[in-house]
Amino acid sequence: DAGVIQSPRHEVTEMGQEVTLRCKPISGHDYLFWYRQTMMRGLELLIYFNNNVPIDDSGMPEDRFSAKMPNASFSTLKIQPSEPRDSAVYFCASSFAVSGANVLTFGAGSRLTVL
Amino acid sequence: EDQVTQSPEALRLQEGESSSLNCSYTVSGLRGLFWYRQDPGKGPEFLFTLYSAGEEKEKERLKATLTKKESFLHITAPKPEDSATYLCAVQGYSSASKIIFGSGTRLSIRP
Repeated sequence: DAGVIQSPRHEVTEMGQEVTLRCKPISGHDYLFWYRQTMMRGLELLIYFNNNVPIDDSGMPEDRFSAKMPNASFSTLKIQPSEPRDSAVYFCASSFAVSGANVLTFGAGSRLTVL
Repeated sequence: EDQVTQSPEALRLQEGESSSLNCSYTVSGLRGLFWYRQDPGKGPEFLFTLYSAGEEKEKERLKATLTKKESFLHITAPKPEDSATYLCAVQGYSSASKIIFGSGTRLSIRP
């Protein structure tokens, strides 16, 4: 398996533009997580899905952020409109439960810079 | 609310100098405590899962231990290639499948 695949790897955009980040999880994994990483705040959980259904989106900063998982092999995280404070590395991770705990496999991340 | 605190923030060791990283946690019913390694420009990579107090796991120069309040990652005779950020995370029963990460320890091993 190619692992968790994220695109784009790097995105530079201007404030106010729409940004769409994409993730292809590992086949057979039934959980998908979106995290954001910054130097100041570390790894923050934004939202996670189980069997394509959003379970907890309490980490989504505000209404400008939305995430979807239309099928088991694809998820998107959209920011509209983007702001400079959204600059961060966004990680997607997928998993299945082992002994009741979820071991995450992370993608390489999407580095977002909003000017 | 589940919480994870890691210390120290950064640690510089000489090659061969053993040490330990600390992860203190608060969770209502532990499903699992995880250790990950993150290299610059990459996503975190899974190392260990610990499920209950008293459990220990080893992999090469790394050994993870767990008590009811904290976990330690012991590094024995480290090499420069062990330099990375080490992240601790917890998953509790009360928060469904939420996985919360600590801020990490940046480990640097000098040759």
